[in-house]
Amino acid sequence: AQSVTQLDSQVPVFEEAPVELRCNYSSSVSVYLFWYVQYPNQGLQLLLKYLSGSTLVESINGFEAEFNKSQTSFHLRKPSVHISDTAEYFCAVSEDGAQKLVFGQGTRLTINP
Amino acid sequence: GAVVSQHPSRVICKSGTSVKIECRSLDFQATTMFWYRQFPKQSLMLMATSNEGSKATYEQGVEKDKFLINHASLTLSTLTVTSAHPEDSSFYICSARFPQGASYNSPLHFGNGTRLTVT
Repeated sequence: AQSVTQLDSQVPVFEEAPVELRCNYSSSVSVYLFWYVQYPNQGLQLLLKYLSGSTLVESINGFEAEFNKSQTSFHLRKPSVHISDTAEYFCAVSEDGAQKLVFGQGTRLTINP
Repeated sequence: GAVVSQHPSRVICKSGTSVKIECRSLDFQATTMFWYRQFPKQSLMLMATSNEGSKATYEQGVEKDKFLINHASLTLSTLTVTSAHPEDSSFYICSARFPQGASYNSPLHFGNGTRLTVT
């Protein structure tokens, strides 16, 4: 069975600083990887996904993540964060052919002015 | 774009009563919906997969008689927490997959969640 580990439960950074949220997964088969963002008292919104092809995927709001098969990682990065990026971020994995997602524990990103 | 609507957003009920939560896909048909539970400051745990026209598939450890799921139409799935107790208090989130291409290729769309408080 697959699993997802987000190494940092909380990440505080200053506004306009770069940030990296770490995600590692384990699976015995091919996987599809996702990052979701959750704002307070809301559901989840898809931020970006890796299905195949280029290992570097980008979102429309400046986030990017790189799939590294050898390190079984899918870290999320942004070169310059904004106050509005304050949220909980979840990494998730779906095994080849499976419909359901398995989520990591989440990382709370706090942006300080 | 595709939207998943969940209702109610908040509900408070007394111990022993039952509560129904609705999950609707607003502009697409969803043959499969998923119900998640999220405890404070924790991740989402998949409870069950709701299949239109057939029985739901429950994850290990989830009581099917406690959490009744009905997926009677292609746009509506309901989760009923029966005989609720304080330990059932949690944030429940539904999701649906936009039926485009292979199942794993289309992302999940999530509802805004229902915060259940059992007193």
